[in-house]
Amino acid sequence: SQQGEEDPQALSIQEGENATMNCSYKTSINNLQWYRQNSGRGLVHLILIRSNEREKHSGRLRVTLDTSKKSSSLLITASRAADTASYFCATDKAAGNKLTFGGGTRVLVKP
Amino acid sequence: NAGVTQTPKFRVLKTGQSMTLLCAQDMNHEYMYWYRQDPGMGLRLIHYSVGEGTTAKGEVPDGYNVSRLKKQNFLLGLESAAPSQTSVYFCASTGTSGIYNEQFFGPGTRLTVL
Repeated sequence: SQQGEEDPQALSIQEGENATMNCSYKTSINNLQWYRQNSGRGLVHLILIRSNEREKHSGRLRVTLDTSKKSSSLLITASRAADTASYFCATDKAAGNKLTFGGGTRVLVKP
Repeated sequence: NAGVTQTPKFRVLKTGQSMTLLCAQDMNHEYMYWYRQDPGMGLRLIHYSVGEGTTAKGEVPDGYNVSRLKKQNFLLGLESAAPSQTSVYFCASTGTSGIYNEQFFGPGTRLTVL
């Protein structure tokens, strides 16, 4: 079973627009991470937010975490064609630094 | 640093054949993981290792075996491949320098079982 579920499953926007995707999870967590996957490639870590944090920024990325609602959001501002990728949330809640991934949001940024 | 590397990149097997996927990392990481990714889905954990000589089952371990004889290598074996094991396999590693660690992923192995 997958701990995280992303919404929407797919997103198409114009270059320069903002992209927002959401992740919901079921049980308590230590931290939540977001990864990007370009087509045919491995995953690349984007940002990590701890369970005691509510918001975090990294460049054009903004992540929020609401532990009471068991949800997180990833905002990509001023999107670029190079942001076209699948984005996955992953929760870390157990020993062994094991991550449980959601199904991902496919983002298409049109030039 | 090469990071996390996987061998081979592609493989086609017939049902019942066996094979071993090799993952290597040069970051001196303690933890290593094997995932599978099916079309349009996220990653599911097959097996993982918290150190040399140790392995543990993940979410979907059936049909797979692993070994971690050296800290830098993590092998994934399929003893008798089945079409349901057609997937893309990713290896990842992470260190223990902090409590909260990102995982570093290899480029993946695309396996087709006919």
